[in-house]
Amino acid sequence: GQQLNQSPQSMFIQEGEDVSMNCTSSSIFNTWLWYKQDPGEGPVLLIALYKAGELTSNGRLTAQFGITRKDSFLNISASIPSDVGIYFCAGQLTGNQFYFGTGTSLTVIP
Amino acid sequence: SAVISQKPSRDICQRGTSLTIQCQVDSQVTMMFWYRQQPGQSLTLIATANQGSEATYESGFVIDKFPISRPNLTFSTLTVSNMSPEDSSIYLCSVEGLLAEYNEQFFGPGTRLTVL
Repeated sequence: GQQLNQSPQSMFIQEGEDVSMNCTSSSIFNTWLWYKQDPGEGPVLLIALYKAGELTSNGRLTAQFGITRKDSFLNISASIPSDVGIYFCAGQLTGNQFYFGTGTSLTVIP
Repeated sequence: SAVISQKPSRDICQRGTSLTIQCQVDSQVTMMFWYRQQPGQSLTLIATANQGSEATYESGFVIDKFPISRPNLTFSTLTVSNMSPEDSSIYLCSVEGLLAEYNEQFFGPGTRLTVL
């Protein structure tokens, strides 16, 4: 299957700091999605991106669809303790299948 | 987004037995999928549940081990057959093709399976 490389693998930050994570691939994707997963829960969709260069915000979250269509990043501004969790990117080629990144584990220290 | 429920939420099973997981959506959806998430890992697609026909399995997953049903547009089941400890994972169903959304997948809460 397709390989989506997500970095960093884990982050430990102070409350109030900004966070940045990214996802890269050797393939060109048509759609990028970003999810957050809390322990014991299913992933929750945060942001969906459909066009190269698209920049979309959802509250303190901002995500961009890379211009080459091979990457995407997610920024979280002014982090708070409830931002703790694992963040996954997911990319879609043609068809319906999404490929998931390896995940970024975020810890926010109060 | 739709409300997606899964039953059971968790189970502890003996080696060699089978478990059927149910996924129910509160609205009709085009596509339903089943994923496996092993401890500390990302999500791996098992199969696409096709309404009225056999599921489409990904490489490494076979129907005998993971039989899937999808009798209508709101419901699907995944069975984990002849279980072994290596099957201990979270199993997630997801849906795509909701009325107002396109090319977005939404996930159920997952079923945490432990095989002894």
